[in-house]
Amino acid sequence: GENVEQHPSTLSVQEGDSAVIKCTYSDSASNYFPWYKQELGKRPQLIIDIRSNVGEKKDQRIAVTLNKTAKHFSLHITETQPEDSAVYFCAASRGNNAGNMLTFGGGTRLMVKP
Amino acid sequence: DGGITQSPKYLFRKEGQNVTLSCEQNLNHDAMYWYRQDPGQGLRLIYYSQIVNDFQKGDIAEGYSVSREKKESFPLTVTSAQKNPTAFYLCASRGESNTEAFFGQGTRLTVV
Repeated sequence: GENVEQHPSTLSVQEGDSAVIKCTYSDSASNYFPWYKQELGKRPQLIIDIRSNVGEKKDQRIAVTLNKTAKHFSLHITETQPEDSAVYFCAASRGNNAGNMLTFGGGTRLMVKP
Repeated sequence: DGGITQSPKYLFRKEGQNVTLSCEQNLNHDAMYWYRQDPGQGLRLIYYSQIVNDFQKGDIAEGYSVSREKKESFPLTVTSAQKNPTAFYLCASRGESNTEAFFGQGTRLTVV
């Protein structure tokens, strides 16, 4: 099955700096890669996703890049703000149908210091 | 923010008891999932279901059971066979392929 590794497990940055979180996956058939943000005690919520037919996607201060050859994808947050502090999860799935599993990485706790 | 609802929010279980966590969605999604989250850990898949009356084991199914009698509902039973059930449980649902999975607000289960 799919295995997703996520690094780093914790990341501390100064407000205004950039943050980068990296994930690798094992199943070359995976073609859908979402990123979720989970605030303390809350449910994970999708912040951005990318499909395997594109290499990069951007939405305001967040962007995701995908390297299918190397089987890794990354989340980039620019101009970080204290409200970006949360746990971020990457995930991967084949997406052939709705039932395919979403396999999650272990999460990254991002702390943005004012 | 509706769509997928879990209940209860907090649940306490005595040793040896079975407890059932509820998950209901009104998104008309075919696929539903149960994940377990331990403190500082990622999301581990317990069970998932692609259609009514069908479900598959995830990575950590031992000590858990599920049913999918209705499209809207995917309850999870934590049995007495689960030796370390204290955790945060998240239910999710998903529609078309390669689309967002929506999560419930979670149930925090504690063994007392």
